[in-house]
Amino acid sequence: AQSVTQLDSHVSVSEGTPVLLRCNYSSSYSPSLFWYVQHPNKGLQLLLKYTSAATLVKGINGFEAEFKKSETSFHLTKPSAHMSDAAEYFCVVTLNTGFQKLVFGTGTRLLVSP
Amino acid sequence: NAGVTQTPKFRVLKTGQSMTLLCAQDMNHEYMYWYRQDPGMGLRLIHYSVGEGTTAKGEVPDGYNVSRLKKQNFLLGLESAAPSQTSVYFCASSYSGRGIYNEQFFGPGTRLTVL
Repeated sequence: AQSVTQLDSHVSVSEGTPVLLRCNYSSSYSPSLFWYVQHPNKGLQLLLKYTSAATLVKGINGFEAEFKKSETSFHLTKPSAHMSDAAEYFCVVTLNTGFQKLVFGTGTRLLVSP
Repeated sequence: NAGVTQTPKFRVLKTGQSMTLLCAQDMNHEYMYWYRQDPGMGLRLIHYSVGEGTTAKGEVPDGYNVSRLKKQNFLLGLESAAPSQTSVYFCASSYSGRGIYNEQFFGPGTRLTVL
């Protein structure tokens, strides 16, 4: 069975500084990985997805994530935080074989201060 | 192209009352899902459907029923609401249930309070 662990429930940064949101996964087979963002009182929006074509994945709004199989990690980064990045971020894992449900992490709330 | 829509957006129920949440998608997706979101617990799958006329149980199905009579609609019913069902409910749809094709598109959510 697959699982995902988001190592920080809250991350606080200042506007203009780098963002790092950590995610580790566990999977018996080749996984697909996603990062979703949820702004307050909104639904979830896809930021980026790992498709096995490239280990460094670029997403929307300047975010990117690197798939590291040896470390079973898929950390989300952004060089410079913006106030509008304040939201909750979910790391999600699924498998590439047959029908599989998405497995969600418990989320990391990103706080951005001026 | 509205994507995934949910009605209603907010609802307050008394214990024992019933209600139906409606989800609609205009992307011709085969797969549809109902989740609930509670603080500190991420999203948990209630029920899902792999096509018109089919439904299946997810992680937390007790107290809920679903129907998928039309491909574009997925209904979630609460027959006798309980305070433990106070939550935010999200509907989602996807083209497929496999790997990257299981990218799910989410509705805006329904905030339900059961008193």
